Amino acid sequence: KAGVTQTPRYLIKTRGQQVTLSCSPISGHRSVSWYQQTPGQGLQFLFEYFSETQRNKGNFPGRFSGRQFSNSRSEMNVSTLELGDSALYLCASSFETGRANTEAFFGQGTRLTVV
Amino acid sequence: QQQVKQSPQSLIVQKGGISIINCAYENTAFDYFPWYQQFPGKGPALLIAIRPDVSEKKEGRFTISFNKSAKQFSLHIMDSQPGDSATYFCAASMGRDDKIIFGKGTRLHILP
Repeated sequence: KAGVTQTPRYLIKTRGQQVTLSCSPISGHRSVSWYQQTPGQGLQFLFEYFSETQRNKGNFPGRFSGRQFSNSRSEMNVSTLELGDSALYLCASSFETGRANTEAFFGQGTRLTVV
Repeated sequence: QQQVKQSPQSLIVQKGGISIINCAYENTAFDYFPWYQQFPGKGPALLIAIRPDVSEKKEGRFTISFNKSAKQFSLHIMDSQPGDSATYFCAASMGRDDKIIFGKGTRLHILP
């Protein structure tokens, strides 16, 4: 069974640009969550999607957005990039939301560097 | 109230020793407490998890101890091995919420 796939693995962008990251969940998983990981702040929740609807949102500015497609694949977009957006962006999928605390499986992440 | 506080930030343990990582939380609505293990270049992977109706859960060399009244839980790694060297995150979530609140992580190094 294939795991969570995130593309690309590495990205270098310039301040002010925008970026789109992609996540393909494990087959059959309908919930996809996104996290930002930095050395100083650890893992911080960005948002969670289920059946193409955003169910939860963390405390990030509106420059961070996402969406989920009918096949459960998800994309995350960051507009007007800032140096502080440099981080590892992780996607996690789980079987379904609405059931208490199912295990979340993480991808390897996309390492974004903003210069 | 949404925070999970984790300590220590880093830990060095001799091979064969016991590694202990502690976490504390404030929100009593949390009802699921997983621990994740992350190796360099990889995403976090679920190691072991516990619910507050249980005071201890053991899986192999890994044990979670849970103290509901103190709102604390800890991970014990018995007979620590160099292959256990990784970053460990405690976490918490509540009810049917798939949002996971993570501690800031503990970088564990096991000396050979």
